[in-house]
Order: sequence, then C-alpha cells, then structure tokens
Amino acid sequence: LAKTTQPISMDSYEGQEVNITCSHNNIATNDYITWYQQFPSQGPRFIIQGYKTKVTNEVASLFIPADRKSSTLSLPRVSLSDTAVYYCLVGAGGYQKVTFGTGTKLQVIP
Amino acid sequence: DTGVSQDPRHKITKRGQNVTFRCDPISEHNRLYWYRQTLGQGPEFLTYFQNEAQLEKSRLLSDRFSAERPKGSFSTLEIQRTEQGDSAMYLCASSLGSQETQYFGPGTRLLVL
Repeated sequence: LAKTTQPISMDSYEGQEVNITCSHNNIATNDYITWYQQFPSQGPRFIIQGYKTKVTNEVASLFIPADRKSSTLSLPRVSLSDTAVYYCLVGAGGYQKVTFGTGTKLQVIP
Repeated sequence: DTGVSQDPRHKITKRGQNVTFRCDPISEHNRLYWYRQTLGQGPEFLTYFQNEAQLEKSRLLSDRFSAERPKGSFSTLEIQRTEQGDSAMYLCASSLGSQETQYFGPGTRLLVL
C-alpha cells in the first residue's frame, strides 16, 4: 500500500477555504485517493474520492496533479462544525487493507 | 437509518472477561471490515469478510480475537480474556464490493478495567 504523509494539524478561521495536502509518492497505477472525516467518538465518514485531475461534490473538492504523487482536499468556507480529523487514504477503491495513518487534525477558530 | 450500525456503543468490562460486539452492515453490502482505533491514532485494519468468508486477518488479531459473519449478514467480534491493552474503539465498515468505498459505523468503545 502507498504510504501517505499529511500535516499533523492545521488551524483555520471560520469562513476561510482550507486546503489539506497529502503526499503519496508510491501510488500505484490502479490506486484511488480517498478522504475521510472523523469527529470524536464517531466512525470515519467518507468525503470524496478521485483518481486524477479534479473531483468536486457538495462537501469538498479534490485536486490531483498529473503525476498523482500528491492530492489536496479543499474545504470551502469552513465552519466550526468542520473541526475534525481528516484522513487521506490511497488504495484500489475499497481495497481491504485500508491504512489510515494519523490524519490531519483541523481546528476551525471562530 | 440505513447505515452501518454497531452494538453496544460502549462497553466496560473487567480484565479477563469475554466481550462480544455486533455489526450490522448496509443491507446490500457484501464486504464487512473490522478496525481498531486507539486514542490519537487512525483506525487499524483487523479483518474483513466477503459475504460469510473471512478472507484476511491482521497480525493485530491475536488468538483471543475471533470474528464471524454467519450467512453473510451481521458480524460479531469476540474478545476473550480481555486485557487492558484491548481498550479501544472498535469500528465496523461495509462496502458493496472490493472496489467500493467503505462506510463506517459509529463504533463500540471498549474500556477494560
């Protein structure tokens, strides 16, 4: 499995756009990039998944450069309720041995 | 609610006791996964099922741990002779197939005294 590297923590003010970058230098050809959000005492929640270029849904955007060795999760206009841990995962879709790492703890400040 | 459900949500037990957790996946999902998460860490893979078949187990799953998924529906995770180091959040997830996103339940938080 491709190992991922993310910042341990980030702070942002309410209303700002937040970009969290994940490095995955050893990503394989058939690997997808998936981001999850986790609140304390809850299970991770799927946010977005992509393979290349840009993916956007109602919650976030995912930017993937051509070499796919990194990806950036973009959260538009964050609110206090976006305070959570965000995990970047790399694998073949629902690949069984998903490895989460320690994630990025996002703190949104009023 | 048609998501993944887990029961109980919290469990406190004494060291040496056995505990069993249940996971009900999303109804049409044929894959079911178990993870363990300790404080400050991301979830760690324990095992997964394709229908009723247990296809892979992590080295984290010691002999005291056993998981079943009879009839390919709900799953149970049993821990025998619990130890304090077993204290963690136990998460269940399900997916429609090997290439599909995993959807997680709320978890069962275990505290071993």
